[in-house]
Amino acid sequence: DAGVTQSPTHLIKTRGQQVTLRCSPKSGHDTVSWYQQALGQGPQFIFQYYEEEERQRGNFPDRFSGHQFPNYSSELNVNALLLGDSALYLCASSFAWRGNTGELFFGEGSRLTVL
Amino acid sequence: QKEVEQNSGPLSVPEGAIASLNCTYSDRGSQSFFWYRQYSGKSPELIMFIYSNGDKEDGRFTAQLNKASQYVSLLIRDSQPSDSATYLCAVIGGFKTIFGAGTRLFVKA
Repeated sequence: DAGVTQSPTHLIKTRGQQVTLRCSPKSGHDTVSWYQQALGQGPQFIFQYYEEEERQRGNFPDRFSGHQFPNYSSELNVNALLLGDSALYLCASSFAWRGNTGELFFGEGSRLTVL
Repeated sequence: QKEVEQNSGPLSVPEGAIASLNCTYSDRGSQSFFWYRQYSGKSPELIMFIYSNGDKEDGRFTAQLNKASQYVSLLIRDSQPSDSATYLCAVIGGFKTIFGAGTRLFVKA
């Protein structure tokens, strides 16, 4: 049973560039949430996708956007990168039909460094 | 006020001792509470959840919830060096799960 997979695992970008991160949810899951985790901090909610729509959004600027595909996989796009965007980006999948049980399955993350 | 607050630690306990991790939350309407463990360089994994006031035990782990005080705790009995990790407290807020900053635990052999 494949777990949550994310790519790439590490990447380095320069300020002003754009980045796309990808996530495939755990088999059978239909909901994808994205989190940003800065060093020494807890995961901060960016947004959640369900049925190819953004269902809830956290306190992140419009530079952060996403997409969910019919196969439930998802992308996170960040435009005009800032130094402060350097973080671990975590994708978490879950079942929507169970409501928000709080049981999230995380991928290993994509570590973004902005120089 | 942060939605979920935790002491960042680090909390250091000797092997075999009880580790006590604490968390407070701001939304009195919160119903569901979670503890995730995150090893260094790894992603969080769910270890406990609790919905009702009182204690919930699972092996060496006990979650405690006091909704009147808006307080959640995690006790780890017979702590092992392998328990050394960051423990994240989380609550549900609509469709999202809200995490605290985490408490770093070190168990000394």
